[in-house]
Amino acid sequence: EAGVVQSPRYKIIEKKQPVAFWCNPISGHNTLYWYRQNLGQGPELLIRYENEEAVDDSQLPKDRFSAERLKGVDSTLKIQPAELGDSAVYLCASARQGAEGYTFGSGTRLTVV
Amino acid sequence: KQEVTQIPAALSVPEGENLVLNCSFTDSAIYNLQWFRQDPGKGLTSLLLIQSSQREQTSGRLNASLDKSSGRSTLYIAASQPGDSATYLCAVRRVDSSYKLIFGSGTRLLVRP
Repeated sequence: EAGVVQSPRYKIIEKKQPVAFWCNPISGHNTLYWYRQNLGQGPELLIRYENEEAVDDSQLPKDRFSAERLKGVDSTLKIQPAELGDSAVYLCASARQGAEGYTFGSGTRLTVV
Repeated sequence: KQEVTQIPAALSVPEGENLVLNCSFTDSAIYNLQWFRQDPGKGLTSLLLIQSSQREQTSGRLNASLDKSSGRSTLYIAASQPGDSATYLCAVRRVDSSYKLIFGSGTRLLVRP
């Protein structure tokens, strides 16, 4: 089966510009996560979806970040406007609802200059 | 609040050596613990998952142990190879419905030929 697909792999933008990341989870995986990984750190959860519902977005900086998962499949994560401190790797993961382990995508490395 | 610590932060060993990576967590009320591998610029690959009721899991040259009462896990790599060079992350899942993973900062491993 195809894994979790993320695009783009890399993105360089100037501060104050908008940016969007896309994730296609494994077919049949109802749970989708977005994590952010700063350099030298472990990933931290931003948001979790169960189908199309965001059930945990408590750590999403809602002033500039937004996410959606229309139809409960693909998901996009948007930042507007981007700040220098947003430079990180944004990872998407999916799991069957109630499954024991996640599968992560390859991530999008964002650099804000 | 659950905190996960990995020691050492970096490790360099000659090829063929057996090695142990350490992970500790502050709250023993975990659902499971997972070890991941991350290659530079890549996403996370799941290596081993240990349920809270289990003591260890093995896959090839890898063996992970879990001592929930003391809040510790170890990843043992036998007969290390240069291809094992990567960052190894451990993560714990809380005992709630969030399915959220709490990650350590990782151990960067270099296996020298």
